Amino acid sequence: EIVLTQSPGTLSLSPGERATLSCRASQSVSNSYLAWYQQKPGQAPRLVIYAASSRAAGIPVRFSGSGSGTDFTLTISRLEPEDFAVYYCQQYASSPLTFGGGTKVEIK
Amino acid sequence: QVQLVQSGAEVKKPGSSVKVSCKASGYIFTSYSITWVRQAPGQGLQWMGWISAYSGNTDYAQNFQGRVTMTTDTSTSTAYMELRSLRSDDTAVYYCARDSNPYSYSGYAGPWGQGTLVTVSS
Repeated sequence: EIVLTQSPGTLSLSPGERATLSCRASQSVSNSYLAWYQQKPGQAPRLVIYAASSRAAGIPVRFSGSGSGTDFTLTISRLEPEDFAVYYCQQYASSPLTFGGGTKVEIK
Repeated sequence: QVQLVQSGAEVKKPGSSVKVSCKASGYIFTSYSITWVRQAPGQGLQWMGWISAYSGNTDYAQNFQGRVTMTTDTSTSTAYMELRSLRSDDTAVYYCARDSNPYSYSGYAGPWGQGTLVTVSS
């Protein structure tokens, strides 16, 4: 099973700042089959990024993903008020599919 | 638009079973697989498995093998997840989500249902 470790646990930033979230895998994620989801309180998760760097439909260009192998990053170039949420990475390269523990992006 | 609507909250006794439904609309149901994910209170996401709405093929996470059954009813475009022998640590919000790729399971999902809270308590 691939274990995903996200860091930091909490990121305290102000609107307009840049957010950089990390996701590290216990073994290589083949084909960069790595997705990112956004979850707001009381809501279902929403797909943000798939295949490590492809934006899902309707996702603003300020969201970008990068990485390969065991190290992946989600970057939000300039935080908007609606971006404050919990973000989860997920690998879908091998079963069982696994999620990271999440990074909370909160307003400073 | 694509929509997944799940059944309402449930309260169950330890040792009993629960069956959560997920009604899909806005797309051809049999073209996409359905993934099930759960989230315990204040915790992260846990993948439970998936079912092909076309073939009925399933893949369950080892943690749930023998306790979970995922099915579909193509006549009503509805997916179901049944979990048996419930324990208190099964208390969670259960989500269904449509896979992103038609005809072959990709593993990344969207959109998601609104979630169903299942509470297991004596």
